[in-house]
Amino acid sequence: AAGVIQSPRHLIKEKRETATLKCYPIPRHDTVYWYQQGPGQDPQFLISFYEKMQSDKGSIPDRFSAQQFSDYHSELNMSSLELGDSALYFCASSRTSGALPDTQYFGPGTRLTVL
Amino acid sequence: AQTVTQSQPEMSVQEAETVTLSCTYDTSESDYYLFWYKQPPSRQMILVIRQEAYKQQNATENRFSVNFQKAAKSFSLKISDSQLGDAAMYFCAYRSEKTSGSRLTFGEGTQLTVNP
Repeated sequence: AAGVIQSPRHLIKEKRETATLKCYPIPRHDTVYWYQQGPGQDPQFLISFYEKMQSDKGSIPDRFSAQQFSDYHSELNMSSLELGDSALYFCASSRTSGALPDTQYFGPGTRLTVL
Repeated sequence: AQTVTQSQPEMSVQEAETVTLSCTYDTSESDYYLFWYKQPPSRQMILVIRQEAYKQQNATENRFSVNFQKAAKSFSLKISDSQLGDAAMYFCAYRSEKTSGSRLTFGEGTQLTVNP
C-alpha cells in the first residue's frame, strides 16, 4: 500500500539559511499534518491542512510557513534557521471518510540538522 | 487543552511474555479518538491500534489489545506473546473528534525492551 512520502530524508543547513520540506500524502487523503520531534521528545504538532485550508495550528514559529497545494501535497518552509530547529520533521496524512477516518499515517520523516 | 500522560518511561518484558503499557489522559470532550503508535529505532511512527471513545468494546489487533476505561480516562496497551520486533518507543496519543484536521497530542512515550 502507498505510504506518505517525504523529501528530502536528510537535510543539513547553516544557521540563518532557509529549508523547504515536502510531503506527499497517501492517495485520496485530504488532510496533511506536520510534527516536529526533538531528540528524546514526543512529536509536537505544528500545523495541519484540510482540503487545502489551514485547519489547526500549534506551536509553529513565525519563521515557519506551510501550505497545501491543489494536488494535496504540502510544503513546510523554514527560514532564518536556528540551531534549535534541528529535529525530525514528520508529515502525516488522513482522510475524513471511509475506513478508519481521521487516523493519521506518518511518513518516514525528514531529519534536519542546522549547523 | 488535552494532556496525555505515560507514567512508565521504560518497561521491559521477556520474549513470549505479556506486558501492559499505561496511559492516562485529561479532556473535557466526550467524543475523541485514542491511539497507540510505535517508534522503532528507525524513528518511523507506526500505528499500532486505535479506539473511538464512543465504542465500549476494547480494540484489538492481533497480539495488541487495549483496556479503555472512559470514566477513568485510562487507555492501556497490552502486548501478548512479545516478540523481539516489538522493542520500540510506544506513544499514546489523543485526537479530538471535533473538527477535521485536529492534531494528535502525544504522551511522553514508554521505551519497551524485549529480552530474549
